[in-house]
Amino acid sequence: GQQVMQIPQYQHVQEGEDFTTYCNSSTTLSNIQWYKQRPGGHPVFLIQLVKSGEVKKQKRLTFQFGEAKKNSSLHITATQTTDVGTYFCAPQGAAGNKLTFGGGTRVLVKP
Amino acid sequence: DGGITQSPKYLFRKEGQNVTLSCEQNLNHDAMYWYRQDPGQGLRLIYYSQIVNDFQKGDIAEGYSVSREKKESFPLTVTSAQKNPTAFYLCASATNYGYTFGSGTRLTVV
Repeated sequence: GQQVMQIPQYQHVQEGEDFTTYCNSSTTLSNIQWYKQRPGGHPVFLIQLVKSGEVKKQKRLTFQFGEAKKNSSLHITATQTTDVGTYFCAPQGAAGNKLTFGGGTRVLVKP
Repeated sequence: DGGITQSPKYLFRKEGQNVTLSCEQNLNHDAMYWYRQDPGQGLRLIYYSQIVNDFQKGDIAEGYSVSREKKESFPLTVTSAQKNPTAFYLCASATNYGYTFGSGTRLTVV
């Protein structure tokens, strides 16, 4: 499957601040999905990006797919305690193929 | 309510025993997946099935077996050959737009 690197592995954020997590691949991706897993829970689908340069927003979350379709980012503005969890990127090499999950970015929010 | 049901939520296994984890979905999805998650780690693919009566090995299939006799069901057996079975096991089903995960089974070897 596709190999991806997610950075940073850990993110300690002060409540109210912004942060960004990155997902990088050495190969061109068909699409990329993002998931959030709360502590003790299961991953929940957030978004899918398909087009080169695509940007999608969900309230305070902004997702971006790189022009070369080799990287993606998730930016969260005005972090809240509800943002605590692990965010995984999951690329697909070709439409319909199985997902490979990145190692995740574990987000802790300091009130 | 459509979704994926995994059971049991917690499972304890003695060394040398086989155990089977249940995964049932009523979403009418063709594709189903099993992932393993170790503490503080990402998800690793064990087996997947794109259609009934067919399945493929994922990245860490050794010591595991599956069956897909019905569209709704994709049970995972953790065999005694799996040397390090303690982990969180997640089942998912999928369309072309996103995976839906079950709530997982936490397996512990005692």
